[in-house]
Amino acid sequence: QSALTQPASVSGSPGQSITISCTGTNTDVGGFHLVSWFQQYPGKAPKLIIFEVSNRPSGVPDRFSASKSGNTASLTISGLQAEDEADYYCCSYTLTTTHVFGSGTKVTVL
Amino acid sequence: EVQLVESGGGSIQPGGSLRLSCAASGFNVSNSYMHWVRQPPGKGLEWVSVLKSGGATEYADSVKGRFSISRDNSRNMLYLRISSLRGEDTAIYYCAREWRNTFGSWGQGTLVTVSS
Repeated sequence: QSALTQPASVSGSPGQSITISCTGTNTDVGGFHLVSWFQQYPGKAPKLIIFEVSNRPSGVPDRFSASKSGNTASLTISGLQAEDEADYYCCSYTLTTTHVFGSGTKVTVL
Repeated sequence: EVQLVESGGGSIQPGGSLRLSCAASGFNVSNSYMHWVRQPPGKGLEWVSVLKSGGATEYADSVKGRFSISRDNSRNMLYLRISSLRGEDTAIYYCAREWRNTFGSWGQGTLVTVSS
């Protein structure tokens, strides 16, 4: 099972909006409404910020939003803040290995 | 409060074995889907294995036949026996509890380094 495809890096200025894409196939992203997103700071465990394509767990700011179209999922961070600088990973349920992660995107706040 | 604490990592020679442990609190591992996910230093996340509440197990192709997931309900512990270790198994190993079909809670991880 190959990793889902994410851009290696995305950057933006404070207050701007950025979008991270996550491309898979019809056996993972496109086949299930089960895409999630994780935020990871250096040296820390990943933290769930989006589940089931577009839902936020309690405590996650509403400037994090997500969607899916076909085989591509997207995470948007609106009103970018310095604390959003981190690595972001998408994840999808899959027919073959239960879950597959994206390759990861480093978000830099300029 | 859900808490997961991994232990058992360390430095091991190629071909060696280790048993990783994950102590759970705030819930019962016996009625949860429990996973291991790993992350090589500086690289991305890789799903490794799941132990379902009913006892069924699944493994990533990269570890199938070498890794074994298990639990001790009485101690509320999850384990991962890793053997025939290779350099590419060097990683931080996280245990995670499944929630809403994804990884809702994570431990802090335990580092396994495979090197001669």
